[in-house]
Amino acid sequence: KAGVTQTPRYLIKTRGQQVTLSCSPISGHRSVSWYQQTPGQGLQFLFEYFSETQRNKGNFPGRFSGRQFSNSRSEMNVSTLELGDSALYLCASSLESGGNTEAFFGQGTRLTVV
Amino acid sequence: GESVGLHLPTLSVQEGDNSIINCAYSNSASDYFIWYKQESGKGPQFIIDIRSNMDKRQGQRVTVLLNKTVKHLSLQIAATQPGDSAVYFCAESRRDMRFGAGTRLTVKP
Repeated sequence: KAGVTQTPRYLIKTRGQQVTLSCSPISGHRSVSWYQQTPGQGLQFLFEYFSETQRNKGNFPGRFSGRQFSNSRSEMNVSTLELGDSALYLCASSLESGGNTEAFFGQGTRLTVV
Repeated sequence: GESVGLHLPTLSVQEGDNSIINCAYSNSASDYFIWYKQESGKGPQFIIDIRSNMDKRQGQRVTVLLNKTVKHLSLQIAATQPGDSAVYFCAESRRDMRFGAGTRLTVKP
């Protein structure tokens, strides 16, 4: 079956703009988690969605938001982009919520803010 | 504070040797631990997991050891191959998964 699909793969935006990233989980998976990966900070948890509800949230400012649709696809949005938002954004899908089941990652969206 | 961290940022081994990658965690409430492998340009790939009611779990060429007394997790790779070269992350799970900084494994031919 198809893996986790993230679109787009690469994105270049300018400061102050906003961006929307998309994640399609593995069929049957209802949990989608988002992570930001940078060389300096590593993999940092953004938030998790399960059955269209945000279940958990990391320590990121309100400029970072997300949502999940009834088909479990998820989007994350970053508004008023800053240079420091340049990163690889990864989503992971799993069957259940709570981080206690195997999570499968997509290839990520590489966001560059100039 | 709570943290998941790796002892060494880089590890270089000879092809055919065994590799050991270590990880320390500080939250005794974590009950699920996972090792991921990330190759350049790709997302993390699940390797092996272990729950807190176990102290050892084996997969194909990989073994994860969990020492809850000292809050230590390790990944052992037997007969390391060039294709094992990657960054390895440990993750601990509470309500969500938190990752360590990663160790870059380089396998020399």
